[in-house]
Amino acid sequence: GENVEQHPSTLSVQEGDSAVIKCTYSDSASNYFPWYKQELGKRPQLIIDIRSNVGEKKDQRIAVTLNKTAKHFSLHITETQPEDSAVYFCAASLWTTDSWGKLQFGAGTQVVVTP
Amino acid sequence: GAVVSQHPSRVICKSGTSVKIECRSLDFQATTMFWYRQFPKQSLMLMATSNEGSKATYEQGVEKDKFLINHASLTLSTLTVTSAHPEDSSFYICSAREGETQYFGPGTRLTVL
Repeated sequence: GENVEQHPSTLSVQEGDSAVIKCTYSDSASNYFPWYKQELGKRPQLIIDIRSNVGEKKDQRIAVTLNKTAKHFSLHITETQPEDSAVYFCAASLWTTDSWGKLQFGAGTQVVVTP
Repeated sequence: GAVVSQHPSRVICKSGTSVKIECRSLDFQATTMFWYRQFPKQSLMLMATSNEGSKATYEQGVEKDKFLINHASLTLSTLTVTSAHPEDSSFYICSAREGETQYFGPGTRLTVL
C-alpha cells in the first residue's frame, strides 16, 4: 500500500520568512495530493491540493509543487504569519471515479511562527 | 465549501458502556465517509471506510465488532464504540468525500473512565 513520509516533524520560522514542508510517497499510481492544516483540538482543514497532471499550484501565500518522477511534493508558505502556526499534514491517494479515494497521511509537521 | 458536522463533540462514559458518534454531511451527499482515530500529537489513523448501503470496510487491526459503523443515508454515518474501555479514549474524526476531496468533521473527544 501507499506510504507517505513527511519532513520535518517540527519547523520554527520567524514571522515573514518562508516555510517549506516536504513529503515523499511510494505508490507511483497515486494521483491526488492534498494538504491539511490542523489547529490544536480542531478539525483538519484542506488548504490546497494538487493532481498528478499538474506540477505546481498556488493560492495566495501557499503553493504546492509535485515531482512525479521523484515521487515527492512540497508545501511552500511565504510571508508567514503567527496564524499559520499549526500542524500540517500531507496526504496521497489514488483517485478514480470507482475508487474510495482513501488518503494516506504523513506524520505531520508542527509549524511555529514566532513574531 | 462543503460542511461536515459531528456529534457529540465530547463524551465521557463509564467502562463497559457503548457510545454512538454521528457524522453528517450538511450541504452535499456523500456516498463514502471515513472514520479516523487520532492520538495526541500524532497523525490521523484510518479506521474504516463507510459506504452508503453496504458494509463498512475496516483497516487491518481494527475490530469490526467493537467499532460498529452504519452508513444509513447519503448524509449520515454513525460509529458506535461498543463496550468501551479506557484504551478506547481518543479523538475520533469523520470525513465525507465529495469528488476526490475529503472534508472533515470537528471530531469527538471520547473519554472512557
